[in-house]
Parts: sequence; C-alpha cells; structure tokens
Amino acid sequence: AQSVTQLDSHVSVSEGTPVLLRCNYSSSYSPSLFWYVQHPNKGLQLLLKYTSAATLVKGINGFEAEFKKSETSFHLTKPSAHMSDAAEYFCVVSSGGGADGLTFGKGTHLIIQP
Amino acid sequence: DTAVSQTPKYLVTQMGNDKSIKCEQNLGHDTMYWYKQDSKKFLKIMFSYNNKELIINETVPNRFSPKSPDKAHLNLHINSLELGDSAVYFCASSQRLAGTSTDTQYFGPGTRLTVL
Repeated sequence: AQSVTQLDSHVSVSEGTPVLLRCNYSSSYSPSLFWYVQHPNKGLQLLLKYTSAATLVKGINGFEAEFKKSETSFHLTKPSAHMSDAAEYFCVVSSGGGADGLTFGKGTHLIIQP
Repeated sequence: DTAVSQTPKYLVTQMGNDKSIKCEQNLGHDTMYWYKQDSKKFLKIMFSYNNKELIINETVPNRFSPKSPDKAHLNLHINSLELGDSAVYFCASSQRLAGTSTDTQYFGPGTRLTVL
C-alpha cells in the first residue's frame, strides 16, 4: 500500500521569495516520487522525478526536491517565486503495481502575491 | 506536436446518456491510462492498459469501459451517465506500466464532463 500527504492545501508567497511545498509519503516498496504541476484549465506537466539516484533532484523552471528517506519526505522548493508559478502542484508516489501504480496527493494550490 | 491529445475538451450531456471520450498518444508508448479529477482537484486512477493487460480500479463502476483500437488510442466509454460522473477526465501514457517502472506519465489536456 502507498499514500501521499501534501501538508498544505494552499500556500501563498510573495513574488521573488522562496517556495516550499511539503509532501510526505508512505510506501511498502522503494518508491519513485514525482511532482506534477497543473496550471488553470490545463493538463498535468511533470516538474521532476526521483528514481533512487541522486536524492536532490532538479526539475524544470528552477524547481528542485530532496528525497529524505528517514523523514519519508519529498518537499518541493524554488529559491525565487515567479508569477507564472501560480498553479496546483501534485506530489505523486509510484510503487508496487497494478491500478495502484500511481497515487496522487490532494494537491497544493500555490498563490503568488505581487 | 501534441504528445497526448483528448477530444472533446468539453462535454455537456443529460443524465442517462451514453458518451465517449477519445485519447490518442503519438509518443510510441505501450501503456495508457484514464484518471478522474473531482471538483476538489483529487486525481484518481481509473484504468491502466497496455497490450498485455487491462487493470481496472475496483472502485470504478462498470458503466465505464476503456476501448483500445490500437496501441496509440485508448477511448473511454461511459454508459447511463449520472450526475456524479461530472468531473475532468485525463488520459495519460507511459512507456511501461506505472508501478513496475519509473517511467514518466505524460498527460493529455483533460476533458471536462458535465452531466445535467
């Protein structure tokens, strides 16, 4: 069994300040972890993924995430927020098989204040 | 070039009707999926399908059925539509089956279904 918990349903930051979106997971197997972004009325786009290589993963648009096994966390960060980052962000875990292959968190809505 | 495409983008229909949503991927992937995103943005997998097997999430009503005419297409048929079926439906594809690999899933733009 696997699950994902995104600790904040909404995060609001000012433009130019750091972004932190928190994600904790549980998995019976060695997981793969992903962050996807969904802009309003758009599909989902992959930001980055962790697949048991380097624990610090760099993604697109300046985002990165660090896999911490001891804390079962995979938090997403960005040093400086941009207005275009306003969107819904999903943390996703993949382990095991079958229809449970991908489990999505409930999403974090990122708001960027001018 | 669109990697994963869905039609229609919006679908408004009456309760009790039967409808289909089409999905096509030009990535050469072997596996395709359907997800449902509810009004609270929660995404849940409905089906995983490749040329070897169809895996159905047990919570999906049997009014929903995927049909794959070929590897590049996975269409979603819905019979006897109900109000609770209103949602955004996303198609996705990956090279190998999620959970057995680390392959990235690529998502379509979504189809917003409204049942009146």
